[in-house]
Amino acid sequence: TQLLEQSPQFLSIQEGENLTVYCNSSSVFSSLQWYRQEPGEGPVLLVTVVTGGEVKKLKRLTFQFGDARKDSSLHITAAQPGDTGLYLCAGPSWGAGSYQLTFGKGTKLSVIP
Amino acid sequence: DTGVSQNPRHKITKRGQNVTFRCDPISEHNRLYWYRQTLGQGPEFLTYFQNEAQLEKSRLLSDRFSAERPKGSFSTLEIQRTEQGDSAMYLCASSIRANTGELFFGEGSRLTVL
Repeated sequence: TQLLEQSPQFLSIQEGENLTVYCNSSSVFSSLQWYRQEPGEGPVLLVTVVTGGEVKKLKRLTFQFGDARKDSSLHITAAQPGDTGLYLCAGPSWGAGSYQLTFGKGTKLSVIP
Repeated sequence: DTGVSQNPRHKITKRGQNVTFRCDPISEHNRLYWYRQTLGQGPEFLTYFQNEAQLEKSRLLSDRFSAERPKGSFSTLEIQRTEQGDSAMYLCASSIRANTGELFFGEGSRLTVL
């Protein structure tokens, strides 16, 4: 089983600050996905990174896939209360020939107004 | 709304009772997944269907758990003789494409076993 470790586990910051959260593995992934989950809801896909070294931007969010495709980071600029949520990274794995996503434990972000 | 629909959203039951959750995936999606999420954890894979065929089951899925997807449309997840350790959010997701495919999740069914 390919494991994804996310850090930090919890992060509480003031509105307007910048932050970076990390997703690391000892295994190589063909791609990584980032999801955001709000309390009482299911995860929603933010981005998929596929190429080593790839950088993708989604408004104030910047996602990077490591050159070796073993790690990824998410940087948020000028965080807002609406960014509050659980950020999950997920990588594909194949069991018995079927595709599934393996998730990290997530980073729980709280942005204080 | 054409998203993934799950019900009930919340279920409180006593230990030893049976519970069933239903998932209606996005209509054109042939792949359906069940995940379980406990507090402070990411979703953990339980089982996977391609159309009506259940192709994989996690070791997390004990004999008390059974999932079906008759006719390749909606799916049900039944837990028999519930235990307090079964308390969790049960998430259903569907997708149309493998390899780099996005999973579209429902809002989840939260189970509390007293």
